[in-house]
Order: sequence, then C-alpha cells, then structure tokens
Amino acid sequence: TQLLEQSPQFLSIQEGENLTVYCNSSSVFSSLQWYRQEPGEGPVLLVTVVTGGEVKKLKRLTFQFGDARKDSSLHITAAQPGDTGLYLCAGLTSGTYKYIFGTGTRLKVLA
Amino acid sequence: DTEVTQTPKHLVMGMTNKKSLKCEQHMGHRAMYWYKQKAKKPPELMFVYSYEKLSINESVPSRFSPECPNSSLLNLHLHALQPEDSALYLCASSELDNEQFFGPGTRLTVL
Repeated sequence: TQLLEQSPQFLSIQEGENLTVYCNSSSVFSSLQWYRQEPGEGPVLLVTVVTGGEVKKLKRLTFQFGDARKDSSLHITAAQPGDTGLYLCAGLTSGTYKYIFGTGTRLKVLA
Repeated sequence: DTEVTQTPKHLVMGMTNKKSLKCEQHMGHRAMYWYKQKAKKPPELMFVYSYEKLSINESVPSRFSPECPNSSLLNLHLHALQPEDSALYLCASSELDNEQFFGPGTRLTVL
C-alpha cells in the first residue's frame, strides 16, 4: 500500500516566521503535487514537481522533490496570515490515474 | 482555463431522497474523479473515469452511483444515504501523467 506521510500534522506560527513541511514515502512517484485548501473549498494546485532533485519557487514558497522521487518538502519564508490553510501533497505513479494523498499539514499563521 | 465546476454548492437531503451531484470540465482532460473529504482529513478517492469508462472504484457502497455521460461531464447519483455520508464531495480532472485540478466541492448534509 502506498502511503504519503506529512509532517508536521499541525503548525501554528507567528507572522514572519519560516517553516518547512515534509512529505515522505517509501514509494517512487513520477510526479508530486502540492495543494493548499481552505475550509469548505476544493484544493488549489500550487506546484507540480517531476524531476528528482527539482526545486521550484512560487513567491515565498519553495518546493523540492527528493533525488529518488520518494519525498518532497515545502518551505515558506516569512509566513503571512494568508498562508493559513491545509497543505496537501499528492503523488502520482506513472501510467496510472490514481493520486496518493498525504496526510495533510494544517498551518495557522497568527498576525 | 483550469476550471472544474461543481453543482450544487450545498445540498441537504434526507435518507430516503435521491439526488445528483454534477461536475464539468472543459480542459479536454480524459480522467475525472470523485473524492469524499471529511473535516480536517485528506480527500479519499471514490471513483476514477478514464476515457469515459469507470477504471477505479475504491469499494464504494452502491448507494453512490457514478456516471460519465461524456468526456466533459461527471455525475454522482445519491440514494438512501446515511448521516455518516455527510462530507465535502470533490470532483477533479487530469490528463494521464499530469497534474490534477479540483472543483470547489459540494457540501453534502444527510439528515
């Protein structure tokens, strides 16, 4: 069974702090997506990483795909209250349509 | 355009009612998905349609019946639901080996 473990599960920080969220698996994925979701809304795609070792930046968010394509991280610099939400990683196995979702990280950024 | 639309936004139904959830995408994606999401949990895959054919059914009870009338539309027919089926129902679409896009969800309450 493929599993994606995210850590931490919960994070409450002050505005301006930095944080890193981890997404780990024993399985290899062809690509990995990161989403942010607000209560009662659908997940919004932030980024897709495909190549092992790949780093992508989206303003204050930095995403990295592990060299072996089994893990990923999301780093937020100078967090803002607008970053509050549920962060989800989702891995895809090549040749399938099935995405494996991580366990989620609930982030709260206090003003 | 990366939009997936879902109707209705909210639905309240009794245990003897029959209702349907609708999903539409115009991105030319050949895979469409139904997920169920409980509060503070990651989405759980229910069904996957690829090329308008059901390709994955994650052992979902028969009171949930999916339908894919054409490549742009996906329905989820509901009948004789239980209160524990109350959740956010998410539709998504993707191309093979590519990123998945979610709709805004339908908040379902079963009384």
